[in-house]
Parts: sequence; structure tokens; C-alpha cells
Amino acid sequence: ETGVTQTPRHLVMGMTNKKSLKCEQHLGHNAMYWYKQSAKKPLELMFVYSLEERVENNSVPSRFSPECPNSSHLFLHLHTLQPEDSALYLCASSQTSGDYNEQFFGPGTRLTVL
Amino acid sequence: AQSVTQLDSQVPVFEEAPVELRCNYSSSVSVYLFWYVQYPNQGLQLLLKYLSGSTLVKGINGFEAEFNKSQTSFHLRKPSVHISDTAEYFCAVRDRTGTASKLTFGTGTRLQVTL
Repeated sequence: ETGVTQTPRHLVMGMTNKKSLKCEQHLGHNAMYWYKQSAKKPLELMFVYSLEERVENNSVPSRFSPECPNSSHLFLHLHTLQPEDSALYLCASSQTSGDYNEQFFGPGTRLTVL
Repeated sequence: AQSVTQLDSQVPVFEEAPVELRCNYSSSVSVYLFWYVQYPNQGLQLLLKYLSGSTLVKGINGFEAEFNKSQTSFHLRKPSVHISDTAEYFCAVRDRTGTASKLTFGTGTRLQVTL
């Protein structure tokens, strides 16, 4: 595998379910990100992990719970979601050092909440 | 804080015609500027970036963009588009003094190329 991978690619869940999204980066980066992409809205940064520590949480509801067990893996645990949480969830990674750090994106998980 | 405006939500164009996708930004500090492309069922891919130096930036797939500080714009252009350029294009800015996490995106422009 190369780049940034995300599983599953599609997920349908009920409002009472618990599920997890997985992201893995094969680029040797030390920062990872979760974004939410909804139709007609800008990408929303949800969480940022740098060196496995959460450094940003942009007022995301507690029904979304991130986990970063190591620099290569990032999870987003979901529980009691709402229909408005249906969106494309994108993971990205980058280096933290240097003047400019390009973010590399995964293909996303298309989430539908019924 | 920064903001990005992409006024055109959709741009239809015929193959081999030129195209310009508009991006305007607002920021109280100096910024880096980016264009990303998202093909169907894929994540975002960096098309080009402006960090410093020449205001005309060339990217992949024959795209280029020009940074205009006085007009706070970073419009994306291609002289002759191809069917395969059909995708969603996102403009983004980042505070030069901030961290890599502080990317602010526009709402995107869907480029639809037809024969």
C-alpha cells in the first residue's frame, strides 16, 4: 500500500450503532488529520494529531471520538450519530517540520446515517 | 482568520476550450495558497501551490495559477481542457505563521468538461 488509505470506503449505519473509521498512512509522516466534507460546504477540519498527541479539536460533538495509537494510524470512533453527520470523511497526513508541509489525503469514507 | 471564496460552484466548458476557476481570499496576514483537485470517489490531490517568488505558478496536468496580492486572488487557469479534467477543484489558504493544520478551504468549483 502507498500513500494514505482509508477503510471502509462506504458505511451505512443507524443512529444507535457504533462504528469506527480507519486511516493508515505509509508516508512516514508524523501528523494526521480528520476532515468532514459535506455537499456545498468547505472542508471542515475536525481533529489534528501531531506526534500522536491531539493538538486540535474544532468543536466537534462528542459522538465523534478520535484515536491515534501511533504515527501511522488514525481512527474515528462513531456512536449515536445523527442524519446530518452523513458526509465524506477524509483523512490526511503531513510532516510537522519544515517551512511548508503538504497534506496528503486519503480517498475518504462515505458515511450515511439512517 | 482567513476565508476563501469560490464564487462559481459549477463551470461547464467544452473540451479544448480555455478555463479559469476563480478564487479570492481574505486574510490579515501573509498566506500560502493552494489548489487541490478531487476526482470522483477520490481524496484531494495537490494541483499547485504558491509559497513565494514568481506570482505565476505552474502545476500538474497543465494547470497554472496567478497570485494577485492587490486583488487577493489566486485564479486557476488551463489553456485547453480535456475530458479527464472533469473534477471538483478546491482553493485553500494557510497562514504563513501557522501550522500545517491551518488550511482553510473554499466550497469548491465543479469543472464539467464536455465534447
